[in-house]
Amino acid sequence: ETGVTQTPRHLVMGMTNKKSLKCEQHLGHNAMYWYKQSAKKPLELMFVYNFKEQTENNSVPSRFSPECPNSSHLFLHLHTLQPEDSALYLCASSQEGRLAGGVDTQYFGPGTRLTVL
Amino acid sequence: ILNVEQSPQSLHVQEGDSTNFTCSFPSSNFYALHWYRWETAKSPEALFVMTLNGDEKKKGRISATLNTKEGYSYLYIKGSQPEDSATYLCAYDRGSTLGRLYFGRGTQLTVWP
Repeated sequence: ETGVTQTPRHLVMGMTNKKSLKCEQHLGHNAMYWYKQSAKKPLELMFVYNFKEQTENNSVPSRFSPECPNSSHLFLHLHTLQPEDSALYLCASSQEGRLAGGVDTQYFGPGTRLTVL
Repeated sequence: ILNVEQSPQSLHVQEGDSTNFTCSFPSSNFYALHWYRWETAKSPEALFVMTLNGDEKKKGRISATLNTKEGYSYLYIKGSQPEDSATYLCAYDRGSTLGRLYFGRGTQLTVWP
């Protein structure tokens, strides 16, 4: 596998379910990101992890819980979601989240299409 | 709220046509402008990163220009092909240490054979 992979690609869950989204990057990067894309809206940053430490939580409700056990893996744990949380969830990674200056290109996975019933 | 606007929202062209679309962003606190190409059911693919006013980047038939003083970038596709059909996203980069990007809604391009 190369690049950034995400599983599952599609997920349907009820409001009382608990599920997790998984992201894995094979690029040797140190920063990982979760984005949400709702219909007709731009990509919206949710969480940033830099060297396994969460550096940003963009006012995301607590029913979304990220986990970064190492710099290659990122999870998004989902619990008691609402129908309005149905969206495409994208993971991205970058070299170092610009700790050392320069321009940091983010590389994206294909996303998980989540439907909450 | 930081606005990044892309126009048009969608575009339909015939194979062989040349096309262009616009990304507008705040001219203050500019650090970089990123362009991505996103085909349906695939990962967004990085096309260009532009940092300097007057910058011009080219990749095959696709090129981009940047005007940081007035806050816009143009993406051009010369001789569009059906495989160019995708959504083209731009993302404004303020240079935060977190690498935070502000995305536009994208321009959805359809090239008919």
